[in-house]
Amino acid sequence: AQSVTQLDSHVSVSEGTPVLLRCNYSSSYSPSLFWYVQHPNKGLQLLLKYTSAATLVKGINGFEAEFKKSETSFHLTKPSAHMSDAAEYFCVVSGGDSGNTPLVFGKGTRLSVIA
Amino acid sequence: EAGVAQSPRYKIIEKRQSVAFWCNPISGHATLYWYQQILGQGPKLLIQFQNNGVVDDSQLPKDRFSAERLKGVDSTLKIQPAKLEDSAVYLCASSDPTGTKSSYNEQFFGPGTRLTVL
Repeated sequence: AQSVTQLDSHVSVSEGTPVLLRCNYSSSYSPSLFWYVQHPNKGLQLLLKYTSAATLVKGINGFEAEFKKSETSFHLTKPSAHMSDAAEYFCVVSGGDSGNTPLVFGKGTRLSVIA
Repeated sequence: EAGVAQSPRYKIIEKRQSVAFWCNPISGHATLYWYQQILGQGPKLLIQFQNNGVVDDSQLPKDRFSAERLKGVDSTLKIQPAKLEDSAVYLCASSDPTGTKSSYNEQFFGPGTRLTVL
């Protein structure tokens, strides 16, 4: 079975400082991994995805994540936080090895950005 | 390209009442998912359709939840009767299993329906 563990339920950073949201995964297959963001009362938006291409994945709004197989990690980073980054972030793994499988979500990390 | 549409956006009902949610996926997407997101948690899969057939409903509480996808396009999720613990956001997502490598396994989510059961 596939699973993800988001190591922090809440992260607080100052505006302009780096962001690190940590995620470890478990998968029987070569995984597809995603980060989604959810702003209050908004739908889920895909930030970036890893599908066995480059291990360093660049996403929208300056976010990126690095797939590290040896550490089974897929941490999300951003060099400089902006107030608009405050939201809930979900690390997600695909539930199988086909292109048509449900997603398994982590419990989420709430990012707060302090002015 | 139009996104995934859901309605209603909000619903408040009393326990033991019935409720239905509607989803219209992205045009041409054969796969449709319903997820339940309880406050403070990540979404959890309820049911997956491929065209109008059920692929996975192992997490669907079948004594009270039902879903259908007639004609392989729109889908309806029903709860009858509702319980307090059904209060959640119900998310619909769709994907194209024949997509290119760039869209492989990518699911597109609707805005969700927030259900409150009193």
